[in-house]
Amino acid sequence: GAGVSQSPSNKVTEKGKDVELRCDPISGHTALYWYRQSLGQGLEFLIYFQGNSAPDKSGLPSDRFSAERTGGSVSTLTIQRTQQEDSAVYLCASSPLANSLYTFGSGTRLTVV
Amino acid sequence: AQSVSQHNHHVILSEAASLELGCNYSYGGTVNLFWYVQYPGQHLQLLLKYFSGDPLVKGIKGFEAEFIKSKFSFNLRKPSVQWSDTAEYFCAVNAGDNYGQNFVFGPGTRLSVLP
Repeated sequence: GAGVSQSPSNKVTEKGKDVELRCDPISGHTALYWYRQSLGQGLEFLIYFQGNSAPDKSGLPSDRFSAERTGGSVSTLTIQRTQQEDSAVYLCASSPLANSLYTFGSGTRLTVV
Repeated sequence: AQSVSQHNHHVILSEAASLELGCNYSYGGTVNLFWYVQYPGQHLQLLLKYFSGDPLVKGIKGFEAEFIKSKFSFNLRKPSVQWSDTAEYFCAVNAGDNYGQNFVFGPGTRLSVLP
């Protein structure tokens, strides 16, 4: 597609369950980023993939969070044993090169009840 | 659907020049408005945000933005730029009456400040 696609757009889950969030970047974009935005806060960096390099995981808030990027394209962000503080909008962005302008997806709103 | 436009793709200024980056959005309801910056080699960080109250918002590093509801605008300003302001700037909007939905970013503006 023409833009960055994220699914699902909304996810409500029970505390303690695992969730998977998907990001389909723009074809050919080598850089992919995950951010999250909690209520009343700005964007929080989570993880960054660039080509075949090892990802920058420095923003992941705990070991319950992990992400993969298969074949240099689609990425999945997994949150295990979700907690209420994980409730946020999770945003994915891609860019053709590192430090190029981003294109953002519309986000996945995660609500942990 | 909501959309965000930024007037300039690339702005080039000399140090000490004044800066204004335009941002316009399309949404008729209550909005939350943000400006983010990405410095070379770094990740996005929040410059400033508007949720309600005084429409003139002051952020970090001497930046400010003014929300003009009648113009659907949220322009970013700085009276005197520095070389270190070279970065990419993103305007973003989400619907305030359903926080977290329809979070939309503008395409970004690249600012180059010449020493």
